[in-house]
Amino acid sequence: SQTIHQWPATLVQPVGSPLSLECTVEGTSNPNLYWYRQAAGRGLQLLFYSVGIGQISSEVPQNLSASRPQDRQFILSSKKLLLSDSGFYLCAWKTGHSGNTIYFGEGSWLTVV
Amino acid sequence: SQQGEEDPQALSIQEGENATMNCSYKTSINNLQWYRQNSGRGLVHLILIRSNEREKHSGRLRVTLDTSKKSSSLLITASRAADTASYFCATAPTTSGTYKYIFGTGTRLKVLA
Repeated sequence: SQTIHQWPATLVQPVGSPLSLECTVEGTSNPNLYWYRQAAGRGLQLLFYSVGIGQISSEVPQNLSASRPQDRQFILSSKKLLLSDSGFYLCAWKTGHSGNTIYFGEGSWLTVV
Repeated sequence: SQQGEEDPQALSIQEGENATMNCSYKTSINNLQWYRQNSGRGLVHLILIRSNEREKHSGRLRVTLDTSKKSSSLLITASRAADTASYFCATAPTTSGTYKYIFGTGTRLKVLA
């Protein structure tokens, strides 16, 4: 069966520090991968999606970046965090091309102080 | 930009009552999905309705889709305290193929015991 792992679950980072959130999917190959952000009590904002290794589509211009170094690994990064980067970050995947259902990780709470 | 907008933003009902929430979207879609999010957790898929379907049932869930009005509704019958969660609709514009899923702003449902 397929599983998705996302870490760390919680982190508190100072303004200007770097960020790295990691996500891996098991039990499937060539998934579509997604990073969403959710501000407290709000909807989901699509940040990045990837349909293959090295293929990243950015939806929102900001100081975040994403990379997909391996088929089932998706990384969200920042060189210098801003206060506005605080939020709940969700990694998700779906079966590439034909799949419709999106499966989410448990999320990472980021507080920038 | 948000593809889907749910209303109401928040809904509070008594256990046993029905809960109805609505979703409006902006562009042509292949399908529309509803997801549930318990507080501080990832989202879980509930039901999918295709663009050529008008109504779909799954247990206590009933979803309708009106593509002419670009709207959908989710009905939860005989609600339970355990249904307390946020509910989101998700759509993929036909122009994006089946890659880019955009979520609405969500309806926060509270079921009082």
